[in-house]
Amino acid sequence: EVQVVESGGGLVQPGRSLRLSCVGSGFNFDDHGMHWVRQAPGKGLEWVSGISWNSDSIGYADSVKGRFTMSRDKAKNSLYLQMNSLKTEDTALYYCARDKQGGAGLRFYGMDVWGQGTTVTVSS
Amino acid sequence: DIVMTQSPDSLAVSLGERATINCKSSQSVLYNSNNNNCLAWYQQKPRQAPKLLIYWASTRESGVPDRFSGSGSGTDFTLTISSLQAEDVAVYYCQQYYSSPLTFGGGTKVEIK
Repeated sequence: EVQVVESGGGLVQPGRSLRLSCVGSGFNFDDHGMHWVRQAPGKGLEWVSGISWNSDSIGYADSVKGRFTMSRDKAKNSLYLQMNSLKTEDTALYYCARDKQGGAGLRFYGMDVWGQGTTVTVSS
Repeated sequence: DIVMTQSPDSLAVSLGERATINCKSSQSVLYNSNNNNCLAWYQQKPRQAPKLLIYWASTRESGVPDRFSGSGSGTDFTLTISSLQAEDVAVYYCQQYYSSPLTFGGGTKVEIK
């Protein structure tokens, strides 16, 4: 079964850090670009970050640029999101999603496999 | 950044009737290299992850019923559900993947009248 599974969410104080993980299975992880998309409670979808198949191209939303870092580990079929200097407005359900293509040069094609998400709550 | 604007915010349609959702981008998302529009549609049912319905503005994802269709080009796009079924109750989002940062529309909630 083709799937991605997120982990690492939790409750964290403003200004602290958290690292999210996503493991892909049932497909060739190296063939696909990957994304993080978040959804604040009761709100719409917001793209957070995307990475090409070979990590050469990484893009970020303006709202997280300079605070979040996306990376991937080929050997572990894993994707990561290092979140620093967290703010209360970062509170959301964070989804990991697979792109239909490799994402070279941040040329993406649409997100065809989604996880169930991991919840991040930033609060004092 | 490309701003995606959806309309209406919500709509109620009778079972078996047509539902139409509009999406407008603040600049063209036509990719000249392949003459395709970098526009996707997603469906999100309550308490579920989003699901890809349409990409390249009009290409249906594998397994998606043919009552779902996408159209449009440049900056104006439409998602049509030709005959609404009970299981289509959801929020629908358009998204551009023409340039980073990728951006979503605000969503359209579809309900049964």
